[in-house]
Amino acid sequence: DTGVSQDPRHKITKRGQNVTFRCDPISEHNRLYWYRQTLGQGPEFLTYFQNEAQLEKSRLLSDRFSAERPKGSFSTLEIQRTEQGDSAMYLCASSPVGYTDTQYFGPGTRLTVL
Amino acid sequence: GQQLNQSPQSMFIQEGEDVSMNCTSSSIFNTWLWYKQDPGEGPVLLIALYKAGELTSNGRLTAQFGITRKDSFLNISASIPSDVGIYFCAPRGTSYGKLTFGQGTILTVHP
Repeated sequence: DTGVSQDPRHKITKRGQNVTFRCDPISEHNRLYWYRQTLGQGPEFLTYFQNEAQLEKSRLLSDRFSAERPKGSFSTLEIQRTEQGDSAMYLCASSPVGYTDTQYFGPGTRLTVL
Repeated sequence: GQQLNQSPQSMFIQEGEDVSMNCTSSSIFNTWLWYKQDPGEGPVLLIALYKAGELTSNGRLTAQFGITRKDSFLNISASIPSDVGIYFCAPRGTSYGKLTFGQGTILTVHP
């Protein structure tokens, strides 16, 4: 399987704990994106990387959120001091660089904050 | 900010019927993508449109990029039970980063 993979698929945590999610993009895809999706809504953009450079961040990405892509391959999204409002599906997507840089999504990580 | 309206919000149809859904925006976009999402999974790309006026088919799916660049529609012909899911339009503007997703159309197909 050469699609986008995410780990873990599900995470249950207590309020105030830190969590970290991992995304492995399709190999050779230079761009990697993070989105958040709450129940009944479409995904909302959080941030994206081209290679290891973080090029855009949404205002949704508060100071408690940080994303990295240290070697331009996999990426991690960390949420510090989780709040109940952080409960959502966190989706990762990747795309090649180019005019038709269509984004392909992973299966997502479902976060539940108790 | 950008306003994106996707309709209808939900559809209940009989197997074999055709389906049509659309997205309209107050902003101009350069690309329109259509995705399908099953419960608990990530969105799966159905069709990508890159030019205003473009009409593209993928099997029983047909989508068009509106000539004004502010709208797009998706048609599904002869629906089958596995078409059940949530369909999203996801246009992209001048930024090569983010997609803006519609609210989704929930499709239910009765056998």
